[in-house]
Amino acid sequence: AQSVTQLDSQVPVFEEAPVELRCNYSSSVSVYLFWYVQYPNQGLQLLLKYLSGSTLVKGINGFEAEFNKSQTSFHLRKPSVHISDTAEYFCAARLSGGYNKLIFGAGTRLAVHP
Amino acid sequence: GAGVSQSPRYKVAKRGQDVALRCDPISGHVSLFWYQQALGQGPEFLTYFQNEAQLDKSGLPSDRFFAERPEGSVSTLKIQRTQQEDSAVYLCASSLEEGQPQHFGDGTRLSIL
Repeated sequence: AQSVTQLDSQVPVFEEAPVELRCNYSSSVSVYLFWYVQYPNQGLQLLLKYLSGSTLVKGINGFEAEFNKSQTSFHLRKPSVHISDTAEYFCAARLSGGYNKLIFGAGTRLAVHP
Repeated sequence: GAGVSQSPRYKVAKRGQDVALRCDPISGHVSLFWYQQALGQGPEFLTYFQNEAQLDKSGLPSDRFFAERPEGSVSTLKIQRTQQEDSAVYLCASSLEEGQPQHFGDGTRLSIL
């Protein structure tokens, strides 16, 4: 069975500092990996996705993530955060074949302080 | 608008009442998903439609939960005899076809008193 673990429930950081949000997955078969952002009282917005190819993927708002198969990780990074990046971030996985039911982690709350 | 639309945005019901939550997917999107997001948790899969066919309902927590998409567009999630543990945000997502990225609505926040 698939599972997704987000290692930090909350990450406080100062504005313009770098940040890394950690995500590990477990699956016996190939998976696709995603990061979503959720602002208060809103739905989920796709930040980036890894399907195949280059293990470093770039997304919107200056975020990027690196797929590491040996460590079964897909950590999200941003070199310099803004106050507006304060939100909940979810890592998700789905099987590479078949329909695309997403399995989500529990989320990481990113709080950017001035 | 061009996005996934869910209504109502907020719903308060007394325990034991029936509720119906509506999802208008993006026009032309074949795939439709329902997820349940409990407070402080990630979304959890409930059910999946491809057009009007409900292909997977393995995530529905009990037989009190029922979903339909009779004409392959709008979908309704119905919860009968609501209980306090049903309190959550219910998210709907659609995708153009199987394998394409999912687009999420803003959700319906359901509170059971």
